Amino acid sequence: NAGVTQTPKFQVLKTGQSMTLQCAQDMNHEYMSWYRQDPGMGLRLIHYSVGAGITDQGEVPNGYNVSRSTTEDFPLRLLSAAPSQTSVYFCASSYTRGGNTIYFGEGSWLTVV
Amino acid sequence: DAKTTQPPSMDCAEGRAANLPCNHSTISGNEYVYWYRQIHSQGPQYIIHGLKNNETNEMASLIITEDRKSSTLILPHATLRDTAVYYCIVTPQTGNTGKLIFGQGTTLQVKP
Repeated sequence: NAGVTQTPKFQVLKTGQSMTLQCAQDMNHEYMSWYRQDPGMGLRLIHYSVGAGITDQGEVPNGYNVSRSTTEDFPLRLLSAAPSQTSVYFCASSYTRGGNTIYFGEGSWLTVV
Repeated sequence: DAKTTQPPSMDCAEGRAANLPCNHSTISGNEYVYWYRQIHSQGPQYIIHGLKNNETNEMASLIITEDRKSSTLILPHATLRDTAVYYCIVTPQTGNTGKLIFGQGTTLQVKP
């Protein structure tokens, strides 16, 4: 049981490049979400999913795209990277029935130059 | 979701109890109080949650006032490894879609 796994852990991108941050969970959780955390700030919700085939926007969705084709995976796509997207990204998952404790991955550090 | 107010920072001596307050005066009847912590550069970690009764687990205790407008997270014997940012979050249990609204949290510094 690996929990929530994020890859890559570190990435440097040039402005305008695209990339995908991968997130996988092996706990059969229904809910998955992506947060970003800027220096000295709390986490902000980007996108979330309540199940395979269903996604919705969070607080700061612009510039990001998501899909949920399986229960296990929830990739986050940066369409055209900008320096303002330099941040630490956390993927999270939770099992809603009987409680919604959220489990976070270890984070992906992204720098856009 | 109701907003929360926490002091930005607190210190605690190693081995002593750390008491972290949280104000959530606009909490509604179906909202729970959750506590998470984030140790430097790591993903947030769940600590404890409650509705109206006091709760205790292996990590901490949660004391919620009778009017539910404030709560206190208690780490009974703080260690240096408890140095972290602690987030108090109010959210509905049912219908929650995995969304959490994080504030600035309280930075707890445990000192030897």
